[in-house]
Amino acid sequence: GNSVTQMEGPVTLSEEAFLTINCTYTATGYPSLFWYVQYPGEGLQLLLKATKADDKGSNKGFEATYRKETTSFHLEKGSVQVSDSAVYFCALSGFRGGANSKLTFGKGITLSVRP
Amino acid sequence: NAGVTQTPKFQVLKTGQSMTLQCAQDMNHEYMSWYRQDPGMGLRLIHYSVGAGITDQGEVPNGYNVSRSTTEDFPLRLLSAAPSQTSVYFCASSYSSGVYGYTFGSGTRLTVV
Repeated sequence: GNSVTQMEGPVTLSEEAFLTINCTYTATGYPSLFWYVQYPGEGLQLLLKATKADDKGSNKGFEATYRKETTSFHLEKGSVQVSDSAVYFCALSGFRGGANSKLTFGKGITLSVRP
Repeated sequence: NAGVTQTPKFQVLKTGQSMTLQCAQDMNHEYMSWYRQDPGMGLRLIHYSVGAGITDQGEVPNGYNVSRSTTEDFPLRLLSAAPSQTSVYFCASSYSSGVYGYTFGSGTRLTVV
């Protein structure tokens, strides 16, 4: 079945530091890949997505590239802000719709950014 | 635009009680899902639906029932609440293929005592 593996957390960074959060996946075919963000006390928001190999998703200064050869979708940001403190989830949606379209999540990682 | 609406936001139940968590979406999405979020476990799929009248089990379905009589609504029923069902529950919806991602509700925090 499908699975998503995220690096262990939590992660604490100083403001303006570079961020990388690793994510690898196992899936058949060509899944769609997502990063979701959850701010304290809130639900999940879609941060960015990529639907095919070599696609780069980007939003709010965050980027991730769909690497099929390494089955990875690492999240990066060049300069984090205190407001980026949140929990980040990597997820995938299977290929070809139907029952395979349900989301599979990684366990999430908590990011804390110090002023 | 309401998006995905979950009610209630908070609930405390006694062991053995039953209740229904409500989820409604106004985006005409075919796909709807229920997840539970527990510390260190990420989000786990309870049940999902690919359209009105069609439901299926996810990863952790035991103790929960769902039905999908309309496109808009996807209620989750707890049959006999147990402390192990203390969690935060999220409902999500998507267009038919899920390719473009799911929209999540704001969650229901449930405590079973």
